[in-house]
Amino acid sequence: NAGVTQTPKFQVLKTGQSMTLQCAQDMNHEYMSWYRQDPGMGLRLIHYSVGAGITDQGEVPNGYNVSRSTTEDFPLRLLSAAPSQTSVYFCASSYGLAGGTEQFFGPGTRLTVL
Amino acid sequence: SQQGEEDPQALSIQEGENATMNCSYKTSINNLQWYRQNSGRGLVHLILIRSNEREKHSGRLRVTLDTSKKSSSLLITASRAADTASYFCAQIRMDSSYKLIFGSGTRLLVRP
Repeated sequence: NAGVTQTPKFQVLKTGQSMTLQCAQDMNHEYMSWYRQDPGMGLRLIHYSVGAGITDQGEVPNGYNVSRSTTEDFPLRLLSAAPSQTSVYFCASSYGLAGGTEQFFGPGTRLTVL
Repeated sequence: SQQGEEDPQALSIQEGENATMNCSYKTSINNLQWYRQNSGRGLVHLILIRSNEREKHSGRLRVTLDTSKKSSSLLITASRAADTASYFCAQIRMDSSYKLIFGSGTRLLVRP
């Protein structure tokens, strides 16, 4: 199993550009989530999904969109990138709800917005 | 802030010593998890402790939970250089089972 994969590993955008961060898991997990991690801080939840077709907002959802058309994939879209979105983005998945089971994390995408 | 607080923010010890990290939180929780993050990598799950448990062990790791003080601690015994990493607690609050709220982490350096 590949676990949780994220692409790209690194990305540089200009202010106003759009892009999609990809996340995929091959463990048949129902729960998936996106976090951002800023320097010296913990992770903050952006959006999460409890199954295909079901998504909801986390702590810091503004500026980001998500969709979940399949169990395996959970892309994160930045519609109009801003310098404040410079961060490291992590995708995670778990078999059950976030709190009840181990979260498996991807390796992260380091995004810089100029 | 919704996040818990971790203490200390940074810790430097000699190989073989024990390392203790603390985590405090503000609201009642369902359970609490600890994760490790090596530099530039994703997080790895260490231990989950439920609100009705007081202590849990996994190898050289011991986690305690005191719900009356709203705090948890992670003890790493006989530390090794490979334990050098950041350690985060993550809470699931009773009002939201879907959201894992992370603390700001403790950066542990184990000197050989």
